[in-house]
Amino acid sequence: GIQVEQSPPDLILQEGANSTLRCNFSDSVNNLQWFHQNPWGQLINLFYIPSGTKQNGRLSATTVATERYSLLYISSSQTTDSGVYFCADSAQLNTDKLIFGTGTRLQVFP
Amino acid sequence: KAGVTQTPRYLIKTRGQQVTLSCSPISGHRSVSWYQQTPGQGLQFLFEYFSETQRNKGNFPGRFSGRQFSNSRSEMNVSTLELGDSALYLCASSPDGNQPQHFGDGTRLSIL
Repeated sequence: GIQVEQSPPDLILQEGANSTLRCNFSDSVNNLQWFHQNPWGQLINLFYIPSGTKQNGRLSATTVATERYSLLYISSSQTTDSGVYFCADSAQLNTDKLIFGTGTRLQVFP
Repeated sequence: KAGVTQTPRYLIKTRGQQVTLSCSPISGHRSVSWYQQTPGQGLQFLFEYFSETQRNKGNFPGRFSGRQFSNSRSEMNVSTLELGDSALYLCASSPDGNQPQHFGDGTRLSIL
């Protein structure tokens, strides 16, 4: 089945710094999504991005489906950005069965 | 619009008991999926339901079961609980496949 690899596993930043998180996929991209899990365990959908580029405030994401990877950019990081970032994709189209990566744990210090 | 609602938020059970978790999707969403999150295994897919039919099933033993009702609400049941079933159980909904999934706050299950 599809495998999802995320890097780096851990990231420590000072407030105001920028960062790039990467997700590689072993198979074709179908329903790629980025999530943020906050320290309370809530999993928030950041982007649905099977291809192309999207921006939402300080966050943006790019997926290059032909090369099977996606990038999440966080600019001017804030302490509230701390948590774990997951990317996930479904093994096939027309299904909500998501395969998650192991996540990138981000800590932002003031 | 109300988000995905999961009940209960916390649950403590003992080995051998059974448990039922509930998930109410976002209004209008017909697809409901369940995931188990543990420190060792990460986020793992359990089931996917669409229009009361199980569309996909993950690699879990038969002790894990689920269903979806005509109003799209879903329940999952775990029988003969084991210590390893301690986890955060997350439910997600979407209108259908090929669309963003939105998660509830989860049910944290502890097995003593």
